[in-house]
Amino acid sequence: EDQVTQSPEALRLQEGESSSLNCSYTVSGLRGLFWYRQDPGKGPEFLFTLYSAGEEKEKERLKATLTKKESFLHITAPKPEDSATYLCAVHPFSGGYNKLIFGAGTRLAVHP
Amino acid sequence: DSGVTQTPKHLITATGQRVTLRCSPRSGDLSVYWYQQSLDQGLQFLIQYYNGEERAKGNILERFSAQQFPDLHSELNLSSLELGDSALYFCASSVEGQGGNIQYFGAGTRLSVL
Repeated sequence: EDQVTQSPEALRLQEGESSSLNCSYTVSGLRGLFWYRQDPGKGPEFLFTLYSAGEEKEKERLKATLTKKESFLHITAPKPEDSATYLCAVHPFSGGYNKLIFGAGTRLAVHP
Repeated sequence: DSGVTQTPKHLITATGQRVTLRCSPRSGDLSVYWYQQSLDQGLQFLIQYYNGEERAKGNILERFSAQQFPDLHSELNLSSLELGDSALYFCASSVEGQGGNIQYFGAGTRLSVL
C-alpha cells in the first residue's frame, strides 16, 4: 500500500537554528513528490516538486532533496514567519490520475 | 493567493442536512480535486474531475457527490450530514489531469455539523 510518513510530528526551533524535516514514502512507483506549507485555517501552499532521486530545489531558506525512499526539507536559519505545518505528498503510479497521498505533516514553531 | 476560489468559507448546519460547497479553479486549469482535512485523518483525497468528467475516486462516502460544470467550476454535495463530517474541505486545481502536475489549493470551507 502506498504510504507517506513524516517526522518529526512537531519541531520547535530557535530563530537561526537550522534543521531538517523528513518525509519517508513507500509507493509502487513515484510520479512526483510535493512539499506544501499550510498555515492554520488556510489551504496548503505549494513549495516544491521533485521528480527523480538526486534532485534538489531551493527557495529562500528552504531546500528540498529527494532520494529513492525519502525526501528532506532543510530549513536554514529559520525565522518566526517560517512557523507552519509542512506537508509532504506523493503521486504514485497507482491510484488514478494525479491522486496525491499526503503525510500527516510536521508542525514547525520558530521562536525569536 | 492561489487563484482557486472556494465558497462559503464557513458553514454551520445540523445533522441530517444537505450542503453544497463550491469551487472555482484557476484560470486555464481543467482538473479539480476535492480533499477533506480533519484533525485525526489529515488531508484525504475525495474525488477528481477533469474537464467535466470524473477521473479518480478516493475515500468518498456514498452520501457525498460532486460534479464539474461546463464553465469548469465544481460543486461538492454532502447529504445526510453526521457529526463526523465536520472538517475542512479543500478544493485544488491543476492544468491537466496527468501525473506530476502541481495542484494549487483554495482557502477551504470549514464545515461544522452540530
